[in-house]
Amino acid sequence: GENVEQHPSTLSVQEGDSAVIKCTYSDSASNYFPWYKQELGKGPQLIIDIRSNVGEKKDQRIAVTLNKTAKHFSLHITETQPEDSAVYFCAASPNNYGQNFVFGPGTRLSVLP
Amino acid sequence: NAGVTQTPKFRVLKTGQSMTLLCAQDMNHEYMYWYRQDPGMGLRLIHYSVGEGTTAKGEVPDGYNVSRLKKQNFLLGLESAAPSQTSVYFCASRSGRDHEQFFGPGTRLTVL
Repeated sequence: GENVEQHPSTLSVQEGDSAVIKCTYSDSASNYFPWYKQELGKGPQLIIDIRSNVGEKKDQRIAVTLNKTAKHFSLHITETQPEDSAVYFCAASPNNYGQNFVFGPGTRLSVLP
Repeated sequence: NAGVTQTPKFRVLKTGQSMTLLCAQDMNHEYMYWYRQDPGMGLRLIHYSVGEGTTAKGEVPDGYNVSRLKKQNFLLGLESAAPSQTSVYFCASRSGRDHEQFFGPGTRLTVL
């Protein structure tokens, strides 16, 4: 089955710097890759996603890149702000998995003022 | 819209006790999910439902049962709780037309 790894597990950056979180997946049939943000005491919330027919997607300060050949995808946050501090989860959805997700273990991002 | 709500928010059980967690959504979504979240392990799928009256096993279904008698509700049951079921449980739902899953606020369960 699908296996998703995520690095780093924790990340601290200075406010205004960029943050990058990387994920790898094992199932070449996966075709949908979302990123979720979880704030303390809340449920995860979708922040950006990418499909397998696209290499990059941007939404203001957030971007995701996908390399299907290498089976990895990354989240890029530019000009980080204190409110970006949260746990971020990547996920992959194999085509034959009923469109369910396999989540990575998460990255705790701290943005220091 | 309230979105996805979960009841209760917190619960402490003794080993062997039973309980039911309730998830409700007001978005008319077809799909509903139950996950557990443990430190360092992300979210793992317990059971899911693709529509009223249907259920299916996820990655970690043992020790749990589910029911979806009404489209808006998805119940997760623990018949005989074990300490290994101490976790934070999240419910999610999505429409049949989109991948995005909407999550509830979670239930923190402790089994002593």
